[in-house]
Amino acid sequence: EVQLVESGGGLVQPGGSLRLSCTTSGFTFSDYAMSWLRQAPGKGLEWVSFIRNTAWRGTKQYAASVKGRFTISRDDSKGIAYLQMNSLKTEDTAVYYCARPPSGSSWYFAYWGLGTLVTVSS
Amino acid sequence: DIQMTQSPSTLSASVGDKVTITCRASQTVYDWLAWYQQKPGKAPKLLIYKASNLESGVSSRFSGSGSGTEFTLTISSLQPDDFAIYYCQQYNSFSPLTFGGGTKVEIK
Repeated sequence: EVQLVESGGGLVQPGGSLRLSCTTSGFTFSDYAMSWLRQAPGKGLEWVSFIRNTAWRGTKQYAASVKGRFTISRDDSKGIAYLQMNSLKTEDTAVYYCARPPSGSSWYFAYWGLGTLVTVSS
Repeated sequence: DIQMTQSPSTLSASVGDKVTITCRASQTVYDWLAWYQQKPGKAPKLLIYKASNLESGVSSRFSGSGSGTEFTLTISSLQPDDFAIYYCQQYNSFSPLTFGGGTKVEIK
């Protein structure tokens, strides 16, 4: 069974940093691109970042709203995807989800974690 | 960026009703469109991919159609478990991947 479990969320002051982890099981992690998405309280879904699998050289993309502040990475040996978030702003407050496509090179999301809440507030 | 616009934003319906939600793209996304259902406090659930393909395990009450810039999600006979928020997502362009603003289906 495919499982994705996010962790690392919490309360942080504006300008601070957090690192989110997405721990996976039930599939060959190295075969898949992994994405992070978020949902601000009472708002819709926003894609944040993805990292391709190593066959595609692990290339990365970011939403304009986080580019230069967030960094996505992956550890294929551990089956974990990370999202390093620096220079956090109040508008980054959201539930952050990691998600996986149904196949290695698709760009929609068949599997989601439960999410981890990030609150940026002084 | 490809903008995705859903209508209506809220829909009031009764059990047994046929429900249609529309998603329009600001430029063609061909058939690279997915639909999700989200319930309060839960992660989204994939319903439809490639505009009209039903995800495994999803009820056949759900169907998707369209191509290019206009798409619809239809629920043939609304059930109590279907009251939720529905989102479309284009994946023709992944720079960035974009979602519609959501359609809340509520009890009339």
